[in-house]
Amino acid sequence: QKEVEQDPGPLSVPEGAIVSLNCTYSNSAFQYFMWYRQYSRKGPELLMYTYSSGNKEDGRFTAQVDKSSKYISLFIRDSQPSDSATYLCAMRTAGGYQKVTFGTGTKLQVIP
Amino acid sequence: KAGVTQTPRYLIKTRGQQVTLSCSPISGHRSVSWYQQTPGQGLQFLFEYFSETQRNKGNFPGRFSGRQFSNSRSEMNVSTLELGDSALYLCASSLAGVDGNTIYFGEGSWLTVV
Repeated sequence: QKEVEQDPGPLSVPEGAIVSLNCTYSNSAFQYFMWYRQYSRKGPELLMYTYSSGNKEDGRFTAQVDKSSKYISLFIRDSQPSDSATYLCAMRTAGGYQKVTFGTGTKLQVIP
Repeated sequence: KAGVTQTPRYLIKTRGQQVTLSCSPISGHRSVSWYQQTPGQGLQFLFEYFSETQRNKGNFPGRFSGRQFSNSRSEMNVSTLELGDSALYLCASSLAGVDGNTIYFGEGSWLTVV
């Protein structure tokens, strides 16, 4: 069993829809939680970065972390065709520095 | 401000050869790490360097090695290439040795082993 599980999709939604992306994890030592967006043949781009449990909002994006359930989510409001990409959840332990464990990614397509 | 720069972007090697990939971190960043991305395994951590010292290492064979120079640039080397080493190799950097700093990725080096 992988430490981080993420539904690979693909997920196809109409423009303007609310998108919900999720990951579960098994390592209770994870303290830092991130969401990256990766366009085809590009490097991952950091979208959201949270420490421990709670919610964080940035524009159309909201990240939620529930450490008791070992479950993290990313919500995208008013989705746009430009949001079409692969979304990777990522997490690391305190003292892990750049040693990050990634989910396999969910491919999202927003249809105009 | 320039991002993380990786060279070469694309390369093709033959089984048994070795390859060296280069990474220039964001100016001022002293911590550099390397990841391998494949369709089957996703993004996997290779190793991390800070102040020219390896700080963390992933579960890869000894054929994979790296180093960091005094100017924070980094190289990774893969010896005795195997077909399964075909992947996107990503370099990432962060500001300093402090835990919790944001990690920024480069565009990657696409390696094909034939």
